Amino acid sequence: QKEVEQNSGPLSVPEGAIASLNCTYSDRGSQSFFWYRQYSGKSPELIMSIYSNGDKEDGRFTAQLNKASQYVSLLIRDSQPSDSATYLCAARDYKLSFGAGTTVTVRA
Amino acid sequence: SAVISQKPSRDICQRGTSLTIQCQVDSQVTMMFWYRQQPGQSLTLIATANQGSEATYESGFVIDKFPISRPNLTFSTLTVSNMSPEDSSIYLCSVLIDEKLFFGSGTQLSVL
Repeated sequence: QKEVEQNSGPLSVPEGAIASLNCTYSDRGSQSFFWYRQYSGKSPELIMSIYSNGDKEDGRFTAQLNKASQYVSLLIRDSQPSDSATYLCAARDYKLSFGAGTTVTVRA
Repeated sequence: SAVISQKPSRDICQRGTSLTIQCQVDSQVTMMFWYRQQPGQSLTLIATANQGSEATYESGFVIDKFPISRPNLTFSTLTVSNMSPEDSSIYLCSVLIDEKLFFGSGTQLSVL
């Protein structure tokens, strides 16, 4: 079983809609969770971190964490074509484990 | 965060040769890591580069194939030795700052 699992996508959403990305993790010892955005041909860029249960909002991004369900999600509101990228979920216990990523395409 | 410079940004190499990738950070950092991202896949940790001591390698990666240097708190190198086409990948340097991981710009390696 992979340590961090994501829907591989691709996820296609119209401009202005909400993109919803899901991630589950297997290690109950994980304490820190991150979402990275990776444009094609570029390195991953940290966009959100979350450490406690509940929601965390930053601009158009909202991260949600449910440790009981071992579930992390990322919502992108008012999706823009510039949001088209691969989004990587990561969970950290003593080391950081990455999911395979979900590719998002925002249709203009 | 930090400014993390990696070079070369890309290279095409012949089978059996070696390539050394450099990573320079604009501030002193304790934890520095090297990742690999094969085409269409996620990130795999190669090793933790320890300042002043031998690197700590993950399962499946060995020092003879991926020697790492970390002479100080701002610089590290990763060498990909005796390359084969299977080593074609993106190699990423990363640093841990305030419990968050930041990545360099990456080195895209193609082995013919």
